[in-house]
Amino acid sequence: GAGVSQTPSNKVTEKGKYVELRCDPISGHTALYWYRQSLGQGPEFLIYFQGTGAADDSGLPNDRFFAVRPEGSVSTLKIQRTERGDSAVYLCASSLIQGASYNEQFFGPGTRLTVL
Amino acid sequence: SQQGEEDPQALSIQEGENATMNCSYKTSINNLQWYRQNSGRGLVHLILIRSNEREKHSGRLRVTLDTSKKSSSLLITASRAADTASYFCATDRGGYQKVTFGTGTKLQVIP
Repeated sequence: GAGVSQTPSNKVTEKGKYVELRCDPISGHTALYWYRQSLGQGPEFLIYFQGTGAADDSGLPNDRFFAVRPEGSVSTLKIQRTERGDSAVYLCASSLIQGASYNEQFFGPGTRLTVL
Repeated sequence: SQQGEEDPQALSIQEGENATMNCSYKTSINNLQWYRQNSGRGLVHLILIRSNEREKHSGRLRVTLDTSKKSSSLLITASRAADTASYFCATDRGGYQKVTFGTGTKLQVIP
Protein backbone atom coordinates (compact mmCIF):
# COMPACT_ATOMS: atom_id res chain seq x y z
CA GLY A 1 0.00 0.00 0.00
CA ALA A 2 0.96 3.64 -0.24
CA GLY A 3 3.30 5.04 2.35
CA VAL A 4 3.40 8.50 3.85
CA SER A 5 3.58 11.15 1.16
CA GLN A 6 4.63 14.76 1.45
CA THR A 7 4.22 17.65 -0.92
CA PRO A 8 6.00 19.54 -2.24
CA SER A 9 9.28 17.65 -2.20
CA ASN A 10 11.16 20.94 -2.46
CA LYS A 11 10.06 24.45 -1.65
CA VAL A 12 12.11 27.60 -2.19
CA THR A 13 10.72 30.80 -0.78
CA GLU A 14 11.83 34.27 0.15
CA LYS A 15 12.31 35.54 3.66
CA GLY A 16 9.04 36.84 5.07
CA LYS A 17 6.77 34.69 2.92
CA TYR A 18 4.16 32.18 4.09
CA VAL A 19 4.47 28.48 3.26
CA GLU A 20 2.33 25.40 3.67
CA LEU A 21 3.69 21.87 3.73
CA ARG A 22 1.37 18.93 3.28
CA CYS A 23 1.46 15.41 4.68
CA ASP A 24 -0.70 12.47 3.63
CA PRO A 25 -0.35 9.73 6.23
CA ILE A 26 -0.92 6.03 5.72
CA SER A 27 -4.64 5.35 5.54
CA GLY A 28 -6.05 4.39 8.92
CA HIS A 29 -3.13 5.73 10.95
CA THR A 30 -4.53 7.83 13.76
CA ALA A 31 -1.27 9.36 14.93
CA LEU A 32 0.66 11.90 12.88
CA TYR A 33 3.97 13.59 13.71
CA TRP A 34 5.95 16.47 12.26
CA TYR A 35 9.72 16.69 12.63
CA ARG A 36 12.32 19.14 11.37
CA GLN A 37 15.79 18.07 10.36
CA SER A 38 18.61 20.53 9.85
CA LEU A 39 21.71 19.62 7.90
CA GLY A 40 23.91 17.17 9.78
CA GLN A 41 21.43 16.76 12.62
CA GLY A 42 18.83 14.23 13.64
CA PRO A 43 15.13 15.00 13.26
CA GLU A 44 13.64 17.21 15.96
CA PHE A 45 10.07 16.73 17.10
CA LEU A 46 7.67 19.56 16.32
CA ILE A 47 4.10 18.39 16.92
CA TYR A 48 1.98 15.27 17.36
CA PHE A 49 -1.65 14.74 16.37
CA GLN A 50 -3.93 12.03 17.68
CA GLY A 51 -6.91 12.20 15.36
CA THR A 52 -7.79 15.81 14.68
CA GLY A 53 -6.29 17.32 17.80
CA ALA A 54 -2.74 18.37 18.51
CA ALA A 55 -1.87 16.27 21.55
CA ASP A 56 1.61 17.74 21.93
CA ASP A 57 2.88 20.88 20.19
CA SER A 58 5.77 21.45 22.55
CA GLY A 59 8.32 21.20 19.75
CA LEU A 60 7.01 24.09 17.67
CA PRO A 61 9.78 26.70 17.87
CA ASN A 62 7.57 29.79 18.00
CA ASP A 63 4.14 31.12 17.07
CA ARG A 64 5.09 31.46 13.41
CA PHE A 65 4.63 27.69 13.16
CA PHE A 66 1.19 26.14 13.16
CA ALA A 67 -0.20 22.79 12.05
CA VAL A 68 -3.69 21.46 11.42
CA ARG A 69 -5.31 18.12 10.75
CA PRO A 70 -8.98 19.03 10.33
CA GLU A 71 -10.35 15.64 9.32
CA GLY A 72 -7.90 13.41 11.14
CA SER A 73 -6.05 12.42 8.00
CA VAL A 74 -4.10 14.95 5.92
CA SER A 75 -2.08 17.48 7.88
CA THR A 76 -0.68 20.85 6.88
CA LEU A 77 2.27 22.54 8.55
CA LYS A 78 2.09 26.29 8.13
CA ILE A 79 4.98 28.69 8.59
CA GLN A 80 4.38 32.43 8.62
CA ARG A 81 6.96 35.15 7.97
CA THR A 82 9.61 32.60 7.08
CA GLU A 83 13.18 33.20 8.19
CA ARG A 84 16.42 31.82 6.77
CA GLY A 85 16.80 29.72 9.92
CA ASP A 86 13.63 27.84 8.99
CA SER A 87 15.50 26.18 6.12
CA ALA A 88 15.49 22.44 6.79
CA VAL A 89 13.88 19.17 5.74
CA TYR A 90 10.43 18.83 7.29
CA LEU A 91 9.50 15.21 7.90
CA CYS A 92 6.09 13.75 8.57
CA ALA A 93 5.42 10.35 10.12
CA SER A 94 2.33 8.38 10.97
CA SER A 95 1.60 5.40 13.16
CA LEU A 96 -1.29 3.20 14.16
CA ILE A 97 -1.91 3.70 17.86
CA GLN A 98 -3.19 0.60 19.61
CA GLY A 99 -3.38 0.89 23.35
CA ALA A 100 -0.14 1.64 25.10
CA SER A 101 2.09 -0.67 23.11
CA TYR A 102 4.68 0.74 20.79
CA ASN A 103 3.75 1.29 17.18
CA GLU A 104 6.34 1.94 14.51
CA GLN A 105 6.37 5.39 12.97
CA PHE A 106 6.48 5.40 9.18
CA PHE A 107 8.21 8.41 7.72
CA GLY A 108 7.55 10.30 4.53
CA PRO A 109 10.36 11.46 2.21
CA GLY A 110 10.24 14.99 3.58
CA THR A 111 9.91 18.48 2.17
CA ARG A 112 13.14 20.40 1.75
CA LEU A 113 12.40 24.03 2.57
CA THR A 114 14.90 26.70 1.53
CA VAL A 115 14.34 30.26 2.65
CA LEU A 116 16.40 32.76 0.67
CA SER B 1 16.74 19.27 21.51
CA GLN B 2 18.62 16.06 20.80
CA GLN B 3 18.30 13.31 23.39
CA GLY B 4 21.07 11.10 22.12
CA GLU B 5 24.52 11.38 20.72
CA GLU B 6 25.94 8.86 18.32
CA ASP B 7 29.56 7.91 18.20
CA PRO B 8 31.43 8.03 15.93
CA GLN B 9 30.02 10.91 13.88
CA ALA B 10 31.40 9.29 10.73
CA LEU B 11 32.68 5.83 9.94
CA SER B 12 34.27 4.47 6.77
CA ILE B 13 34.83 0.74 6.32
CA GLN B 14 35.46 -1.80 3.57
CA GLU B 15 32.67 -3.98 2.30
CA GLY B 16 32.49 -7.20 4.33
CA GLU B 17 33.73 -5.61 7.54
CA ASN B 18 31.57 -5.08 10.59
CA ALA B 19 30.38 -1.62 11.58
CA THR B 20 29.67 -0.62 15.17
CA MET B 21 27.89 2.56 16.16
CA ASN B 22 27.18 3.73 19.66
CA CYS B 23 24.45 5.89 21.11
CA SER B 24 24.26 7.58 24.48
CA TYR B 25 21.15 9.23 25.83
CA LYS B 26 20.30 11.39 28.80
CA THR B 27 16.97 10.48 30.39
CA SER B 28 15.15 7.24 31.22
CA ILE B 29 13.48 5.58 28.27
CA ASN B 30 10.80 3.07 27.37
CA ASN B 31 12.15 2.02 23.99
CA LEU B 32 15.22 2.68 21.89
CA GLN B 33 15.18 2.37 18.16
CA TRP B 34 17.64 2.60 15.34
CA TYR B 35 16.78 4.23 12.02
CA ARG B 36 18.61 4.44 8.71
CA GLN B 37 18.44 7.45 6.42
CA ASN B 38 19.70 7.62 2.87
CA SER B 39 20.63 10.88 1.16
CA GLY B 40 19.11 13.10 3.86
CA ARG B 41 15.62 11.70 3.35
CA GLY B 42 13.48 8.65 3.98
CA LEU B 43 14.00 7.46 7.55
CA VAL B 44 13.59 3.70 7.74
CA HIS B 45 12.96 1.94 11.02
CA LEU B 46 15.52 -0.85 11.57
CA ILE B 47 15.03 -2.31 15.00
CA LEU B 48 13.48 -1.55 18.38
CA ILE B 49 14.73 -2.67 21.76
CA ARG B 50 12.69 -2.23 24.92
CA SER B 51 14.15 -0.96 28.17
CA ASN B 52 13.87 -4.40 29.78
CA GLU B 53 15.81 -6.07 26.96
CA ARG B 54 19.57 -6.24 26.71
CA GLU B 55 20.19 -7.55 23.20
CA LYS B 56 18.24 -8.01 20.02
CA HIS B 57 19.02 -9.39 16.57
CA SER B 58 17.48 -8.80 13.18
CA GLY B 59 19.25 -10.26 10.17
CA ARG B 60 22.73 -8.69 10.05
CA LEU B 61 21.84 -6.23 12.81
CA ARG B 62 22.62 -6.66 16.47
CA VAL B 63 21.55 -4.09 19.04
CA THR B 64 22.54 -3.97 22.67
CA LEU B 65 21.14 -1.76 25.40
CA ASP B 66 22.69 -0.88 28.74
CA THR B 67 20.20 1.20 30.69
CA SER B 68 22.61 1.64 33.61
CA LYS B 69 25.02 3.43 31.29
CA LYS B 70 22.26 4.96 29.17
CA SER B 71 23.87 3.62 26.04
CA SER B 72 23.16 1.39 23.08
CA SER B 73 25.19 -0.03 20.23
CA LEU B 74 24.27 -1.09 16.72
CA LEU B 75 26.42 -3.70 15.00
CA ILE B 76 26.06 -4.32 11.29
CA THR B 77 27.85 -7.49 10.28
CA ALA B 78 29.26 -8.28 6.84
CA SER B 79 28.58 -4.76 5.61
CA ARG B 80 27.53 -4.03 2.05
CA ALA B 81 27.83 -0.93 -0.08
CA ALA B 82 24.05 -0.57 0.20
CA ASP B 83 24.46 -0.05 3.96
CA THR B 84 25.98 3.36 3.24
CA ALA B 85 23.67 5.79 5.02
CA SER B 86 23.24 7.82 8.20
CA TYR B 87 22.13 5.88 11.26
CA PHE B 88 20.18 7.44 14.11
CA CYS B 89 19.19 6.17 17.50
CA ALA B 90 15.88 7.40 18.83
CA THR B 91 14.29 7.06 22.23
CA ASP B 92 10.80 7.35 23.63
CA ARG B 93 9.33 7.39 27.10
CA GLY B 94 6.22 5.43 26.29
CA GLY B 95 2.69 6.74 25.95
CA TYR B 96 2.17 8.10 22.45
CA GLN B 97 5.86 7.60 21.71
CA LYS B 98 7.19 11.08 21.15
CA VAL B 99 10.50 10.06 19.65
CA THR B 100 13.71 11.96 20.32
CA PHE B 101 16.52 11.40 17.85
CA GLY B 102 20.26 11.48 18.28
CA THR B 103 22.73 13.31 16.09
CA GLY B 104 23.52 10.36 13.82
CA THR B 105 26.49 8.38 12.52
CA LYS B 106 27.35 8.67 8.85
CA LEU B 107 28.48 5.26 7.60
CA GLN B 108 30.31 4.77 4.33
CA VAL B 109 30.90 1.24 3.08
CA ILE B 110 33.51 1.13 0.36
CA PRO B 111 33.01 -1.61 -2.26
